[in-house]
Amino acid sequence: EDQVTQSPEALRLQEGESSSLNCSYTVSGLRGLFWYRQDPGKGPEFLFTLYSAGEEKEKERLKATLTKKESFLHITAPKPEDSATYLCAVQAPGANNLFFGTGTRLTVIP
Amino acid sequence: DTGVSQDPRHKITKRGQNVTFRCDPISEHNRLYWYRQTLGQGPEFLTYFQNEAQLEKSRLLSDRFSAERPKGSFSTLEIQRTEQGDSAMYLCASSRPGGLELFFGSGTQLSVL
Repeated sequence: EDQVTQSPEALRLQEGESSSLNCSYTVSGLRGLFWYRQDPGKGPEFLFTLYSAGEEKEKERLKATLTKKESFLHITAPKPEDSATYLCAVQAPGANNLFFGTGTRLTVIP
Repeated sequence: DTGVSQDPRHKITKRGQNVTFRCDPISEHNRLYWYRQTLGQGPEFLTYFQNEAQLEKSRLLSDRFSAERPKGSFSTLEIQRTEQGDSAMYLCASSRPGGLELFFGSGTQLSVL
C-alpha cells in the first residue's frame, strides 16, 4: 500500500535559520512526487514536481530534492511569510490521483 | 488563468440536511478532482472526472455523496443526509491534459451541527 510520511509534524524556526523538511514514501514505482504549501483556511498551492532520483528544483528560498526513498524540502534563510503547512504527495503509475502526507506545519519567528 | 473557483467558501448545516458545492476549474483543464481534508490531515481523494466522465471514486465516497460534471465544465458535489462526520474542508482541483500537477481551489468548509 502506498504510504507517505512527513517529518517533523511541526517545526519552529527563527527568521534566517535554515532547515529541511522530510517526506518518506513507499510507492511501487513513482510517477511523480509533489510539494505543496497550504495556508490556514486555503487550498494547497503547488510548489514543485520531482520525477526521478537525483532531481532538484528551486524556487526562491525553497529547494526540493528526491532520492529513491525520500524527498527533502530545504528552506534557506526563512522569513515569517514562509510560515505555512507544507504537504508532500505522490502519484503511482496508473493512478489518477495524488496521495498526500499529513504535512509539516512550519512557523518562522521574526 | 483565474484559478479554480469554489462556492460557497463556508457552509453551516444541520444534521440530516442536503448540501451542494460547486467547483469551476481552470478553463483549459479537462481533469477535475474532489478531495476532503480534516484538521491536521492531508487531503484525501474522493473522485475524479476526465471531461464529463466520472472515472474513479474512492471507497471514502459513500452512497450519500454524488458528484457530477455536466458538459465537462463545472462540477457539483452533493452530500445527502449530512452527518457530523462529514464536517471537513472539501477541495476541488483541476489539471491540464497530460499534466500531473493538481491546482486547487480555496475549498468549501462544511460544518454539520
